[in-house]
Amino acid sequence: GQQVMQIPQYQHVQEGEDFTTYCNSSTTLSNIQWYKQRPGGHPVFLIQLVKSGEVKKQKRLTFQFGEAKKNSSLHITATQTTDVGTYFCAVYNNNDMRFGAGTRLTVKP
Amino acid sequence: KAGVTQTPRYLIKTRGQQVTLSCSPISGHRSVSWYQQTPGQGLQFLFEYFSETQRNKGNFPGRFSGRQFSNSRSEMNVSTLELGDSALYLCASRTAGTGYTGELFFGEGSRLTVL
Repeated sequence: GQQVMQIPQYQHVQEGEDFTTYCNSSTTLSNIQWYKQRPGGHPVFLIQLVKSGEVKKQKRLTFQFGEAKKNSSLHITATQTTDVGTYFCAVYNNNDMRFGAGTRLTVKP
Repeated sequence: KAGVTQTPRYLIKTRGQQVTLSCSPISGHRSVSWYQQTPGQGLQFLFEYFSETQRNKGNFPGRFSGRQFSNSRSEMNVSTLELGDSALYLCASRTAGTGYTGELFFGEGSRLTVL
């Protein structure tokens, strides 16, 4: 089934710095989703990308889907302490969703 | 609209016991998935139910089982608990069936500790 590799595993940044997490697949993806899980919380849906080369923005967050639909990235500009948490990419495998290992972001004020 | 509800939120069991966790999906959602989350293994897919049928199963031993009722509520059971079963068990629901690739809505989770 479809699997995704996500890097880095951890990222520690100073508040105001940028942050990027990447997901890569060996196979072409039909779509990819991104979730955020705050410490002690549960995953919450952020966005879904479907089209080749698609770029979507949510305030300081920019999501990209590669031209070959085999990779995706989430970029946060000027991180804030509210951005802390773990960011997961996820892809459908038949009828179920498989998650990347996640990138844990910590932000130093 | 009420979210996904999981009970119990916390529980402590001892090795060899069994446990049943419950999940009530968002009204109208017919698909329920279960995930195990541990610090070392991330979010691991357990199984997915749709209209009372298990459609997919992850790579977990037979000690892990589940079911879904006609009202879409789901339960998962772990028998003969092992220390390594200590984890956060997350339930997620979504609206439609085959081929639908919409977002998952997660519950708060049931945190199981096995002593």
